[in-house]
Amino acid sequence: KAGVTQTPRYLIKTRGQQVTLSCSPISGHRSVSWYQQTPGQGLQFLFEYFSETQRNKGNFPGRFSGRQFSNSRSEMNVSTLELGDSALYLCASSLDAGGVLNFNYGYTFGSGTRLTVV
Amino acid sequence: DQQVKQNSPSLSVQEGRISILNCDYTNSMFDYFLWYKKYPAEGPTFLISISSIKDKNEDGRFTVFLNKSAKHLSLHIVPSQPGDSAVYFCAASGGSSGYALNFGKGTSLLVTP
Repeated sequence: KAGVTQTPRYLIKTRGQQVTLSCSPISGHRSVSWYQQTPGQGLQFLFEYFSETQRNKGNFPGRFSGRQFSNSRSEMNVSTLELGDSALYLCASSLDAGGVLNFNYGYTFGSGTRLTVV
Repeated sequence: DQQVKQNSPSLSVQEGRISILNCDYTNSMFDYFLWYKKYPAEGPTFLISISSIKDKNEDGRFTVFLNKSAKHLSLHIVPSQPGDSAVYFCAASGGSSGYALNFGKGTSLLVTP
């Protein structure tokens, strides 16, 4: 069974540019969440999507956005990149039953996209 | 504001002994707690979880204990193995945060032969 796939693995962008990261969840998982990991702030929640709808959003500026497609694949976009956006961006997917997530199995994370802003 | 705290940045344990990793939280509305293990350049790997209605959950070498009155949980690994060396994250979910995971800053575990 394929895991959560994130592309690309590494990315270098210049300040002011925008970037799109992609995530393919485990087959059958309809919930997809995104997290940012930095040395200073640790792992922080960005947003969660379920059936193409954003159900929850973390405390990040509007430059961070996302979407989910009908096949549950998700993308996140960061516009007007800043140096502080350099981080590991992680995508996670989860099983659900009628929209209720089953935490007995937790979220399954991908390997992440390492974004460096120069 | 950090709602989940892991106050020990690192822990060193001998192979075969018990590893105990601790986690404290502030939000009494959290209803699920999870432990993840992470190696460098990889995503976190789910280890074990516990619902707030339980006080213990066991899976093989891993046991999680929850003390709701103290807002404290711990992960016990018995026996510890060198392959357990990694960073361990505690996470909590529920209340107004919905299904979002609130992570602690992690504890780096080193298991020495």
